[in-house]
Amino acid sequence: ETVLTQSPGTLSLSPGERATLSCRASQNIGSNYLAWYQQRPGQAPRLLIYGASNRATGIPDRFSGIGSGTDFTLTISRLEPEDFAVYYCQKYGGSYTFGQGTKVEIK
Amino acid sequence: QVQLQQSGPGLVRPSQTLSVTCVISGDNISTNVASWNWIRQSPSRGLEWLGRTYYRSKWYYEYAEAVRGRVTINPDTSKNQFSLQLNSVTPEDTAVYYCEAVDYYNGMDVWGQGTTVTVSS
Repeated sequence: ETVLTQSPGTLSLSPGERATLSCRASQNIGSNYLAWYQQRPGQAPRLLIYGASNRATGIPDRFSGIGSGTDFTLTISRLEPEDFAVYYCQKYGGSYTFGQGTKVEIK
Repeated sequence: QVQLQQSGPGLVRPSQTLSVTCVISGDNISTNVASWNWIRQSPSRGLEWLGRTYYRSKWYYEYAEAVRGRVTINPDTSKNQFSLQLNSVTPEDTAVYYCEAVDYYNGMDVWGQGTTVTVSS
């Protein structure tokens, strides 16, 4: 089973700053089957990025994803107040696993 | 717009069967692009994918290794819904259970509201 390790555990930033989140897979998963989800407090997760770099429907372009193989990155170019949340990477297709999450908090 | 409405008991006794249903509106469960997932979340285990079903000329089923043998996902085309059954539950199965509809071809996903299930005697 592929293990996804996210870093950092917590990211303390101010609105308007850039956020860079990392997700590392324990084995090569190519680029087609990596997704990023956002979860706000009290809400279900929602899909942000699929196929490592494709924005889901309705997701603003300040969110971007890149990566392939074992290393993936989610970037939020300028943090808005509603972006402070927990972010999870997920491997899908065949077997599905989630990372443990990165919390983006207000500094 | 697709919506998912979950229903199920909040309390299940140890060794019993946990059942949660997800009713779909705004789409047909037999669509050829979506898959219908069950995911749970607990403080100790984080987000955990349990399994999925999807229709591509026939029904397919995939289950997580951690619960394989205890889990069944059933689509019901007559009621446009799908259900999760988890047998022989223990307190470790206490979690919020979510259904999800995801279409990776078009980049769309929808989640149910979540069902908090406690396994306790």
